[in-house]
Amino acid sequence: GDSVTQMEGPVTLSEEAFLTINCTYTATGYPSLFWYVQYPGEGLQLLLKATKADDKGSNKGFEATYRKETTSFHLEKGSVQVSDSAVYFCALSTGFQKLVFGTGTRLLVSP
Amino acid sequence: KAGVTQTPRYLIKTRGQQVTLSCSPISGHRSVSWYQQTPGQGLQFLFEYFSETQRNKGNFPGRFSGRQFSNSRSEMNVSTLELGDSALYLCASSHDTGGVSYEQYFGPGTRLTVT
Repeated sequence: GDSVTQMEGPVTLSEEAFLTINCTYTATGYPSLFWYVQYPGEGLQLLLKATKADDKGSNKGFEATYRKETTSFHLEKGSVQVSDSAVYFCALSTGFQKLVFGTGTRLLVSP
Repeated sequence: KAGVTQTPRYLIKTRGQQVTLSCSPISGHRSVSWYQQTPGQGLQFLFEYFSETQRNKGNFPGRFSGRQFSNSRSEMNVSTLELGDSALYLCASSHDTGGVSYEQYFGPGTRLTVT
C-alpha cells in the first residue's frame, strides 16, 4: 500500500541554521504531496503542497520539490527561527481526501 | 472565514462506554475526513464523507462509525470504548469539487482519554 517515510527526529538546530527534513514515499499512481506542521496542543496546519512531478511548493520560507525519479519530497528552509519549533509531517494523497502520513519529525530550534 | 471546529475539545470516558465527537467544517466545504493520532501508531485515516456519503474508509474496526449531515457537519462515534482508543481525533475539511486531492484544513482535535 501507499506509505511515507520520514527521517527520525528530533532535529536540533541553532537559530539561522539550514534545515532539511527528508521524506520519501511509495505510492501507486501519481500522488499529491504535502507538508503539515503541528504546534504543541494544536491540530495540523498545511505548510505547502505539490501536485505533480517537479512542482515546488513554498510557504513562509519553507520549500519542497516533488521528485518523481527519487520518490522524494524533502523539506528545506534556509534560516530557521525558534518559532519554527514544531512537529513536521510529510503526507501523500492519491484521491478522495485520504492522507497517508509519515511518522513526523520533531524540530527543536535554540536561540 | 471560520476554521474547522471540533467539540468537545477534551473528553474522559470509561471502558465500555460510547462517545460521539462533532466536527463543523469550513463554510462551503463538503468533504470531511477523520483521523486518529496516537504516539504509537501516528496519524491514521478513519473515514471520509462527501455530501452525506462515506467515500473512503480506513482500516479500523466497526466500533468506529461516522456520518455527515446535509449542512456538511459530521460526527464520529466510537462504541464499546477500549483503552487503546485514547487518542487525539482530528477532523479535516476540504473544498473538494471533483474527487482529486485537495488540501485539507484541520481542526484543533478532540482529546479522548479512556480509563
